[in-house]
Amino acid sequence: GIQVEQSPPDLILQEGANSTLRCNFSDSVNNLQWFHQNPWGQLINLFYIPSGTKQNGRLSATTVATERYSLLYISSSQTTDSGVYFCAGIKAAGNKLTFGGGTRVLVKP
Amino acid sequence: GAVVSQHPSRVICKSGTSVKIECRSLDFQATTMFWYRQFPKKSLMLMATSNEGSKATYEQGVEKDKFLINHASLTLSTLTVTSAHPEDSSFYICSIKREREQYFGPGTRLTVT
Repeated sequence: GIQVEQSPPDLILQEGANSTLRCNFSDSVNNLQWFHQNPWGQLINLFYIPSGTKQNGRLSATTVATERYSLLYISSSQTTDSGVYFCAGIKAAGNKLTFGGGTRVLVKP
Repeated sequence: GAVVSQHPSRVICKSGTSVKIECRSLDFQATTMFWYRQFPKKSLMLMATSNEGSKATYEQGVEKDKFLINHASLTLSTLTVTSAHPEDSSFYICSIKREREQYFGPGTRLTVT
């Protein structure tokens, strides 16, 4: 299977700050998703982004498929952005969604 | 999107007993459902893929006789942890795939005493 590495593992932000989270894949993926896991454990879908750039409010994501990485941008962070951000991908011709280790984000007021 | 529910949200059981966790797809008929396990401060690990009307496919290292999966209908999959032990304590999350995206249930926190 594929290996998914996320960085940084932990991130502490002051409210209002911007940040970039990175996800590297060991192999080509044809499915890539970003999730936010809230303090109660629920995974919330942020982006389905196997390639290109998408934006949703203060969040945006860019995937460079040829270089096997994806970036998640958080702008003007708020305390409600705290939680764990996961990226996950499915290898081409595969069916299993493999998760990275996550980035634990804490936004301080 | 898709709406996925799980029941119960948390359960405490005694060592040696069995626990059943339900996963329901509320607005989509899912021929395939996925079961994940997450230990504290760790990532999600795929345990098995549940296929409606047929046997589940288990990941390497997951005991199929311990984690019984039944996908009896297009909207319901169940995971039964048999003869539970404290090391089975974990957060269990189910998921469905709709079109190209996977959507996750709220999870079930199992504590085995």
